[in-house]
Amino acid sequence: EVQLVESGGGLVKPGGSLRLSCAASEFIFSTYTLNWVRQAPGRGLEWVSSISSESIHIYYAESMRGRFTISRDDAKSSLYLQMNSLRAEDTAVYYCARVATSGTWLDLWGRGTLVTVAS
Amino acid sequence: NFMLTQPHSVSESPGKTVTISCTRSSGSIAGNYVQWYQQRPGSSPTAVIYEDNQRPSGVPDRFSGSIDRSSNSASLTISGLQTEDEAVYYCQSYNKNSQGVFGGGTKLAVL
Repeated sequence: EVQLVESGGGLVKPGGSLRLSCAASEFIFSTYTLNWVRQAPGRGLEWVSSISSESIHIYYAESMRGRFTISRDDAKSSLYLQMNSLRAEDTAVYYCARVATSGTWLDLWGRGTLVTVAS
Repeated sequence: NFMLTQPHSVSESPGKTVTISCTRSSGSIAGNYVQWYQQRPGSSPTAVIYEDNQRPSGVPDRFSGSIDRSSNSASLTISGLQTEDEAVYYCQSYNKNSQGVFGGGTKLAVL
């Protein structure tokens, strides 16, 4: 089955770090641009970051630049998000999503992993 | 950078037609494609419209998208409303720095 599965979420204290992973299945991972999108509890979607094939183009939302690092390992068909200096407002479900080859829309989403930042 | 503004909620009866707007705060709505995502409770988002007016495979033709340069807005129209269409709908685009921008979401009630 073509899918994305996130992992690595959990409870972390303010100022702490966490690394999220997203494992891809049944598609040629290396050819796709991948995104992270988050959703705080009861709130809307917020774009976090994107990474193109071969990691040529990397972009971040302004509020996360310098704290979050996106990366990929094509040999493992995996996407990562290293999150440092976490704040309470980073509490959210983090989704990884694939960008369609035919454009810039997100055609495949994972189920998300919950990150809770609290003392 | 711009914002995308959506109504907080809309409601309509089954079988009717509803339109959800998405207004871009600055720059032309035609400058970057607009996507629409549906998120049902407890589920991940899925695309219902991409590139302003294209439907992904499997999305019924009851869903349509458009842009209006005069109001600098995009619209999602759902005709023949069904109870399964109850969800939150998000518009999305990209800014000139290739950063994603989502609207705040519109909760659709079919009642």
